Amino acid sequence: GAGVSQSPSNKVTEKGKDVELRCDPISGHTALYWYRQRLGQGLEFLIYFQGNSAPDKSGLPSDRFSAERTGESVSTLTIQRTQQEDSAVYLCASSLSTQYFGPGTRLTVL
Amino acid sequence: AQSVSQHNHHVILSEAASLELGCNYSYGGTVNLFWYVQYPGQHLQLLLKYFSGDPLVKGIKGFEAEFIKSKFSFNLRKPSVQWSDTAEYFCAVKVGGATNKLIFGTGTLLAVQP
Repeated sequence: GAGVSQSPSNKVTEKGKDVELRCDPISGHTALYWYRQRLGQGLEFLIYFQGNSAPDKSGLPSDRFSAERTGESVSTLTIQRTQQEDSAVYLCASSLSTQYFGPGTRLTVL
Repeated sequence: AQSVSQHNHHVILSEAASLELGCNYSYGGTVNLFWYVQYPGQHLQLLLKYFSGDPLVKGIKGFEAEFIKSKFSFNLRKPSVQWSDTAEYFCAVKVGGATNKLIFGTGTLLAVQP
């Protein structure tokens, strides 16, 4: 596709449930990033994938968060046992040098 | 730790007014600098970027930004704003290292009144 796509666009879940968010990067982009944007705050780095290298997970807030990427394609971000403080917009970006962002997934944990 | 500060959280201007949004970062090494914009209901888009060379960078829609290394600043400017510039503006810094992650400021919400 022409840009980064993410699904679902909105997700409402109950506290304690697991959620999985998907990102389709721009074709050919070797790097993929996940960020989180809480209400009224800037974007917060979560995790970075570059080709076949080990991902940089330094931004993941807890072990409930994990992410996978298959080669240089789709990535999924999984949040286990969701908490209310996980409510945020989760943004994915892909890049060769400049990062281009997807529309985000708005997660609401009730 | 590296950080990015955007001192103006909410700016209200009338059409044709001049705009300057402040951005300061804390990092002493080589940086790449970005301004992203998020229009209402749309996703984050790149407005302009600085990697090296001329510190005055021109972006889309008449925006420009000036990198002043001695002040650790990368302020965004536009001489005459339009109603369609109403959006949230984010400054971001990419520092050296393996990750290339962006460190974002908290954003400035710009409202332009017609």
